[in-house]
Amino acid sequence: SYELTQPPSVSVSPGQTARITCSGDDLAKKYVYWYQQKSGQAPVLVIYEDNKRPSGIPERFSGSSSGTMATLTISGAQVEDEVDYYCCSTDSSTDHWVFGGGTKLTVL
Amino acid sequence: EVQLVQSGGGLVKPGGSLRLSCAASGFIFSNAWMTWVRQAPGKGLEWVGHIKSKTDGGSTDYAAPVKGRFTISRDESKNTLYLQMNSLKTEDTAVYYCTKVGGIHYWGQGSLVTVSS
Repeated sequence: SYELTQPPSVSVSPGQTARITCSGDDLAKKYVYWYQQKSGQAPVLVIYEDNKRPSGIPERFSGSSSGTMATLTISGAQVEDEVDYYCCSTDSSTDHWVFGGGTKLTVL
Repeated sequence: EVQLVQSGGGLVKPGGSLRLSCAASGFIFSNAWMTWVRQAPGKGLEWVGHIKSKTDGGSTDYAAPVKGRFTISRDESKNTLYLQMNSLKTEDTAVYYCTKVGGIHYWGQGSLVTVSS
C-alpha cells in the first residue's frame, strides 16, 4: 500500500527555520496537504495543494513539493509551533487518502 | 463560514454498532467530497473512507481495516454525512473526524468512539 514517510522528530532553536519533509512515490502527481495538531485537538490545515496557505495561518508557514519529496517550512519557528505535523496526499491508483506518520517539532 | 458539527460517539461493546453524524453548513453539500478520518489514542491520523459528491456519482470507498463493516452515506436533504459502524472491534477505538476535502479541507470537532467490554 502507498506510504508517506516523515521524520518522527525535528528540533530547532526559537527563531530558526524548521523544515519537515514528506516523501512518497506519488507526490509528483498528487497534491500535498500539511496539518498541525495540538494535543487533544482536531488537526488544523496549514498548507494545501502543495504551497497554498489558508487565511489565518501565519506567513512563516510555507510549503513546497518537488518530485517525490514535499517540505513544510516554518521560518522563524516559535515556541507555540512545538506540536505535531502531518502530511497528507492521495494514492494515485486508488484515490485513497494517506497520512504520513507525523513529525513532532521541538522548539527550544 | 464552513461548519461541520459531529454527534453520536460513545462507548460500545465489541461486536456492537454505532452511527456517527456530521451536520454540514456554509457550503454546497451536494458538490462536496466528504471523508472520515480517525485517530487512535496516541497514534497518527488514519483515513477511514470517503463518499464522492452527489454530482460525481456519490460512490464510496473504504480503508482495508473497515471495509465490509463501516458504511458512509449522505443525506442531501439534511446536509448530513453519516458513518455507520458495525461489528466494532477494540482496535476501532479512536476519535473520528468528518472532513470536507477538495481545496481547503475543513474538519469536524471529532467524536470519541470507545469499543470496550
